[in-house]
Amino acid sequence: EDQVTQSPEALRLQEGESSSLNCSYTVSGLRGLFWYRQDPGKGPEFLFTLYSAGEEKEKERLKATLTKKESFLHITAPKPEDSATYLCAVHIYSSASKIIFGSGTRLSIRP
Amino acid sequence: EAQVTQNPRYLITVTGKKLTVTCSQNMNHEYMSWYRQDPGLGLRQIYYSMNVEVTDKGDVPEGYKVSRKEKRNFPLILESPSPNQTSLYFCASSPIAGLWFFGPGTRLTVL
Repeated sequence: EDQVTQSPEALRLQEGESSSLNCSYTVSGLRGLFWYRQDPGKGPEFLFTLYSAGEEKEKERLKATLTKKESFLHITAPKPEDSATYLCAVHIYSSASKIIFGSGTRLSIRP
Repeated sequence: EAQVTQNPRYLITVTGKKLTVTCSQNMNHEYMSWYRQDPGLGLRQIYYSMNVEVTDKGDVPEGYKVSRKEKRNFPLILESPSPNQTSLYFCASSPIAGLWFFGPGTRLTVL
């Protein structure tokens, strides 16, 4: 069964303390992996898309990487405004439009 | 401004009273989709559409209907709402499968 698992569920960091969020997946065939950011009460906002193992994307303090089994979202020297829930989603080959979302990591950055 | 709009943003209704949540996008996207988000269950796809008059079921379609008569609009219809449909609903559109642009959400309470 296709599955996406994110860890940890919640992460509290001090401002400036770097860390990584994990998204592991077991799918029949990966078309692409997506990272989203969701603020409370709002819709998810697209951050990155990765298509092949070894690929990396960066945006400000965030860097996403992809292997054959998992993706990491590295956050370097985070600020309080980086606090949000981070979702990963995978697009699988067996369906044109089926996207499976993970349950997210709730990130909290203390000043 | 490129966006996905949903109305209403908040709705409290009673069991069995038919309702429609509207969704519109101004980005000329082919794909549109409806998701519901529940604590502990994450985002689950209800229905999606790959083009006008082309719709298909997602993971949790029971109790919902959709139609795509125009490219920009994708309303979600609950013919006879029940309390287990109390949730946060997101409409999304995409130029390619997986790269979703989400609306602001509709918080529905069914009493």
